[in-house]
Amino acid sequence: DGGITQSPKYLFRKEGQNVTLSCEQNLNHDAMYWYRQDPGQGLRLIYYSQIVNDFQKGDIAEGYSVSREKKESFPLTVTSAQKNPTAFYLCACSGQGVNQPQHFGDGTRLSIL
Amino acid sequence: GQQLNQSPQSMFIQEGEDVSMNCTSSSIFNTWLWYKQDPGEGPVLLIALYKAGELTSNGRLTAQFGITRKDSFLNISASIPSDVGIYFCAGRYGSSNTGKLIFGQGTTLQVKP
Repeated sequence: DGGITQSPKYLFRKEGQNVTLSCEQNLNHDAMYWYRQDPGQGLRLIYYSQIVNDFQKGDIAEGYSVSREKKESFPLTVTSAQKNPTAFYLCACSGQGVNQPQHFGDGTRLSIL
Repeated sequence: GQQLNQSPQSMFIQEGEDVSMNCTSSSIFNTWLWYKQDPGEGPVLLIALYKAGELTSNGRLTAQFGITRKDSFLNISASIPSDVGIYFCAGRYGSSNTGKLIFGQGTTLQVKP
């Protein structure tokens, strides 16, 4: 079945450590997005990519980095510069055209050890 | 970044009751989307709206794109226990040339059997 897959489901980070969250889609969608979700809040955009080898910062990009080397993959690295990384991270993708809805993965919950 | 004003923040209702929630924006939107999120999972698209005044149903769910293009509402009729979750509205600016969405802060729905 076509879909968008995030891994791992749960991730723990030590102080000073970088961690990478995986997002893979087989929907052949051009655009991919990373969001952060904190309790009681809506989704906040971290980074997005509209095409391979190109990406833009969202509203809360500081302390995060991404790459888009392949159409189907958009990994997110939470760096040691992100001082409050504990959150639920959601990846999404959307097809060609600005009005296409976004489809979400099942998220990765990141916690600090 | 801007967020939509979504209300109410939470609702606790009896099974069988109807539910109504809405989102407002100070800017004109050209797309309104409604998502549902179950605990520990990613949001799932319920209804997408693309034209002012558009009224769309999906089973017991009905959503409308406001005439002013600055608001949208979602109604759930005859609620059942599996309706429990967080409902998010999301919109796209009329001037946007990307697939970026703005999200409301969510309405948490609890249904008492």
